Amino acid sequence: QKEVEQNSGPLSVPEGAIASLNCTYSDRVSQSFFWYRQYSGKSPELIMSIYSNGDKEDGRFTAQLNKASQYVSLLIRDSQPSDSATYLCAGYMDSNYQLIWGAGTKLIIKP
Amino acid sequence: DGGITQSPKYLFRKEGQNVTLSCEQNLNHDAMYWYRQDPGQGLRLIYYSQIVNDFQKGDIAEGYSVSREKKESFPLTVTSAQKNPTAFYLCASSGWGPPQFEDTQYFGPGTRLTVL
Repeated sequence: QKEVEQNSGPLSVPEGAIASLNCTYSDRVSQSFFWYRQYSGKSPELIMSIYSNGDKEDGRFTAQLNKASQYVSLLIRDSQPSDSATYLCAGYMDSNYQLIWGAGTKLIIKP
Repeated sequence: DGGITQSPKYLFRKEGQNVTLSCEQNLNHDAMYWYRQDPGQGLRLIYYSQIVNDFQKGDIAEGYSVSREKKESFPLTVTSAQKNPTAFYLCASSGWGPPQFEDTQYFGPGTRLTVL
């Protein structure tokens, strides 16, 4: 099992709908989790962090963390074509403070 | 402005040449990282450094070398031993130690290396 896993997609969502991106993690990963957005040809940029069970909202973005089930999600409400990007999930390894990355999910918002 | 700079943005290398990619940060971060990203792929860790004059190999260090003589700088050399160096190279920095909830890595704009 990979430490942090994401479905590579692409995930296609109509404009205005809710996009739901998921990430699962192993027993060796905990602490905080992060969602990054990466546009094609650009570097990743941090959009959300979460470390407590439950939901954290920031504008159109909501991060959800469920430690019992070992998954973290990112919801994007009212999806816009500008949200089309690859979304990377990351979490810290307990053993060595290394940030471990998922492979990313490509999101396509269809006008 | 605080941030991470990488240069050059594009780099072309002839086979058999060594090239050096620059990374500078003014965020006062202790740790710095180099990643490689191939088209449609995730991030792969090449090297990282937690402190000046010390660095560790990541998952794909073969054919690469680094130095950390200053806190602000972490250059990456792609040597001729790296057989397939064409990729997007990303430098990142962060604090180091037990992560405090919001601590994470921040990225420079990247260098795209092409072997001719």
